[in-house]
Amino acid sequence: GENVEQHPSTLSVQEGDSAVIKCTYSDSASNYFPWYKQELGKRPQLIIDIRSNVGEKKDQRIAVTLNKTAKHFSLHITETQPEDSAVYFCAASMPGGFKTIFGAGTRLFVKA
Amino acid sequence: SQTIHQWPATLVQPVGSPLSLECTVEGTSNPNLYWYRQAAGRGLQLLFYSVGIGQISSEVPQNLSASRPQDRQFILSSKKLLLSDSGFYLCAWVSGGRVRTEAFFGQGTRLTVV
Repeated sequence: GENVEQHPSTLSVQEGDSAVIKCTYSDSASNYFPWYKQELGKRPQLIIDIRSNVGEKKDQRIAVTLNKTAKHFSLHITETQPEDSAVYFCAASMPGGFKTIFGAGTRLFVKA
Repeated sequence: SQTIHQWPATLVQPVGSPLSLECTVEGTSNPNLYWYRQAAGRGLQLLFYSVGIGQISSEVPQNLSASRPQDRQFILSSKKLLLSDSGFYLCAWVSGGRVRTEAFFGQGTRLTVV
């Protein structure tokens, strides 16, 4: 079955710096890769996603890249702010969102 | 609009007692439903998913079970809880749109087995 690995497990950056979180997946049939942000005590919420027919997608300060050949995808946050502090999850799923598998999560700390 | 309800929000149960967590979805039909568990400081572990009434797929064999008695109802159960069952349980509904496929999570249930 699909396996998603996420690194690092913890990331601490200074406010204004960039943060990069990387994930790999195992099942080449996966074609949809969302990223979720979970603030303390709250449920995860979708922040950005990318489909397998796209190599890069950007939304203001966040961007995702996908390398289908290597089965790698990454989240990039630029100009980090304290409110970016949260746990971030990558995920991979089959067409239609069937069986979405999450990575282990990255706890991001942005120091003011 | 679609909403997902999960209850209870918190639960403290003794070892060996039964468990029943309920999740219902409104505003959609034939949803793909999921149960995840999040252990303290760890990621989301997929426990069960269901693509329709009576259709349950198990990802992690353990003393938990799931049932889908109605189209928009998903139940997580156990006959006898273990200490290791403690964690944060999240029900999720995944929309399979053409443009965006998004998982909507319930509020979660924090289960403490004592």
